[in-house]
Amino acid sequence: QSALTQPASVSGSPGQSITISCTGTSNDVGGYNFVSWYQQHPGEAPKLIIYDVSARPSGVSTRFSGSRSDNTASLTISGLQAEDEADYYCCSYTSSSTWLFGGGTTLTVL
Amino acid sequence: QVQLQESGPRLVKPPETLSLTCSVSGGSINNYRWTWIRQPPGKGLEWIGYIYFTGSTNYNPSLQSRVTISVDTSKNQFSLKLTSVTAADTAIYYCARVGQLVEFDPWGQGTLVTVSS
Repeated sequence: QSALTQPASVSGSPGQSITISCTGTSNDVGGYNFVSWYQQHPGEAPKLIIYDVSARPSGVSTRFSGSRSDNTASLTISGLQAEDEADYYCCSYTSSSTWLFGGGTTLTVL
Repeated sequence: QVQLQESGPRLVKPPETLSLTCSVSGGSINNYRWTWIRQPPGKGLEWIGYIYFTGSTNYNPSLQSRVTISVDTSKNQFSLKLTSVTAADTAIYYCARVGQLVEFDPWGQGTLVTVSS
């Protein structure tokens, strides 16, 4: 099983919007609605920010949104804030009843 | 609210066995799947495996020959054993609950396990 493909880094200025892609196959991202996204600040455990492709847990800012087209899922962060600077990981359930993570994307707020 | 806490030796010698326990508080271990995830220093996340409260399991194929996850419902705990460790197994090990839509939430704070002689 190969990791899902994410860009290594993205950047944006405060107030702007950015999108992080997560590409898999029809056996994972494209085959199930079970795509989730996690935010990880340095020295902290990952935090769930999106699940079921586009659902937000209670307490997560509405500036975070998720979507999917075919085998690629996307995380969009609108109205960038300094506190959004972190690593972001996508994750998908697979046809083998296992989970795959993406390699992670480092977001820099300029 | 549910909280998870990893515990176990922080230093393991190769090729011994890494053993960790995740204690669940604030809720029952029943009716959920529970999972282990690791992160080598400076690298990305890797899913290790999960266990259902009934004891059924599934593991990452790349680790399957070395991994065992078990559950003790009487103690509200589940455990990870990884055999024949090498330096490549040095990582922060996290435990987490698997939600109804197979999301991982919440997570434990993680524990760094170093494999070194």
